Order: sequence, then C-alpha cells, then structure tokens
Amino acid sequence: DTAVSQTPKYLVTQMGNDKSIKCEQNLGHDTMYWYKQDSKKFLKIMFSYNNKELIINETVPNRFSPKSPDKAHLNLHINSLELGDSAVYFCASSKRGTARTDTQYFGPGTRLTVL
Amino acid sequence: AQTVTQSQPEMSVQEAETVTLSCTYDTSENNYYLFWYKQPPSRQMILVIRQEAYKQQNATENRFSVNFQKAAKSFSLKISDSQLGDTAMYFCAFMKLYFGNEKLTFGTGTRLTIIP
Repeated sequence: DTAVSQTPKYLVTQMGNDKSIKCEQNLGHDTMYWYKQDSKKFLKIMFSYNNKELIINETVPNRFSPKSPDKAHLNLHINSLELGDSAVYFCASSKRGTARTDTQYFGPGTRLTVL
Repeated sequence: AQTVTQSQPEMSVQEAETVTLSCTYDTSENNYYLFWYKQPPSRQMILVIRQEAYKQQNATENRFSVNFQKAAKSFSLKISDSQLGDTAMYFCAFMKLYFGNEKLTFGTGTRLTIIP
C-alpha cells in the first residue's frame, strides 16, 4: 500500500531522447509536486499542481512539461534530454489545510541518467 | 525569497549519544511551517518532524526534538540516543503558509553518520 509511487525508479537514456516519469498517490491528497535533486543533493521545487491546476512553475526549461490527468496522478515529460538533466526527480503530495495535512510526502525518487 | 542555511555539511557521533543539527532561515513571513526530512542511503525522503511557527512549544517525536527560536530564525534538530539507522542526510525545510505557494525551500543538508 505505497503512499506515493513513481515509475520508473531508474532511467538511463541518451541525450536528445524524450522520456516520461509517472507519479501516483493514494493518500487522497489534492496537491502534487515535482522536485529535482542535483548531484550535490540540493532539492528544488519544479512544479506543483492543485486539483489538476498548475500553481507553481519555477524557472524550469519548457522542455519539461508536467501533466496531471487527475488529482492522484502527476507525470513529468522531458523532451530533448540534456546531460544537465541527470538528477533524482522526486514526486510529492499534500493536502491543503493545516501543517499536519500540508506536510508533503515524497515518492521514492527516479534517478535519471543522461548519457 | 526565503533561504534556509545548514552550516554543518557533515557530522558524526557515537551510537547512543545525542547530536544536534543546526538550521537557520531567513524570511519576512510571520506564518510558516518548518520541517526536518531524513534521506537515508535508500534515497527515500522521510519526514522526521514538523513545527508550526505560531506554536511556541517545540515539537517532539520520540527521540527527535527541535529547538525553535522564532526571533533568531533558528530551527535545530536534536536526536537523542542515536541509533545506526539514524545515519542519513538531514534536510531542513521551510514552507510559507500561503495557498498557491506551498513549495518547500530546502537547506543544503547535513550528512550524519552514527558510529557503532
């Protein structure tokens, strides 16, 4: 009964390819996020969606396109992959309300390696 | 913009000892949340403890407690009776209390090693 799941866990691909990472949560949350963790372990927000609506879009290249088909899913599609896209990508979810519900719960991460 | 600073890149402590990890932050907001997340070698991000800024009482979760000093903008994590399973990267994080901007701003992390 995984709370926030991501597929795949590992992704190795060539420069220039297009790839997608999928995220699903079964916590009944209404907000989902994508974070990027670079090689120095620094975590930074990329996007967030609330009830399928984009609410945060940090300065991310437009090669990255999130899509939320419903409240439980948030996918990340990356076009024309570059070497600098190599990182661990984390999906997270939360429910708006109090600190207890606003707490973000993370998926296991997807390690993307671009060769 | 908010910033979070963790000034200790690495720490190590003997098993069963107590260790304190430091975190300071900068914000002009009055209402916000603070969190500590743990990332063991498995890579999973695990919530350790959370604190609402409007609460003066420091949060505790079993062996984990915080020292929240709002005026000083300081939020340290104390781990008591440390265990081998506490070995991990620890991230301090800040979140504004504002609908539409619930992003977490993270510090750079502290790598904690518990020595048997």
